Amino acid sequence: GENVEQHPSTLSVQEGDSAVIKCTYSDSASNYFPWYKQELGKRPQLIIDIRSNVGEKKDQRIAVTLNKTAKHFSLHITETQPEDSAVYFCAALSWAGGGNKLTFGTGTQLKVEL
Amino acid sequence: EADIYQTPRYLVIGTGKKITLECSQTMGHDKMYWYQQDPGMELHLIHYSYGVNSTEKGDLSSESTVSRIRTEHFPLTLESARPSHTSQYLCASAGSNYGYTFGSGTRLTVV
Repeated sequence: GENVEQHPSTLSVQEGDSAVIKCTYSDSASNYFPWYKQELGKRPQLIIDIRSNVGEKKDQRIAVTLNKTAKHFSLHITETQPEDSAVYFCAALSWAGGGNKLTFGTGTQLKVEL
Repeated sequence: EADIYQTPRYLVIGTGKKITLECSQTMGHDKMYWYQQDPGMELHLIHYSYGVNSTEKGDLSSESTVSRIRTEHFPLTLESARPSHTSQYLCASAGSNYGYTFGSGTRLTVV
């Protein structure tokens, strides 16, 4: 089955700096890669996603890049703000048992310091 | 508003009790999932369903069971709760665009 590795597990940046979180996946058939943000005590929420026919996608301060050959994808947050502090999960979509399911990375705790 | 709802939000229960965690969605999604998560930690898939009368076990060994009799409803049952079941349980649903919508979770404590 699919295996997703995520690094780093914790990341501390100064407000205004950029943050980068990296993930690798194992199944070359995976074709959809979302990123979720989970604030303390809240549910994970989709913040951006990318499909395998696209190399990069941006949404304001957030961008995701995908390298299909190397089987890795990254989340980039520019001009970080305190409200960006949260746990971020990457995921890859794989097919199993006639349907599809996401395999999640182990999460990155991002702390934006003032 | 279309969303996914979980009840109860918090539950404290004694060892050996049978419990059912409820999950309902008004998203019109066919796929539903249950995850176990200690706060802020890794998401572990315990059960999933691709439609009515379809259920599969996930990656994490679990002593729970699920049913999918109606499209919008996907309850999780623990026949005999143990302290090791103390965790947060998140339900999610997905439609044709693949992205998951998560419920707010049930935080279970078994004493």
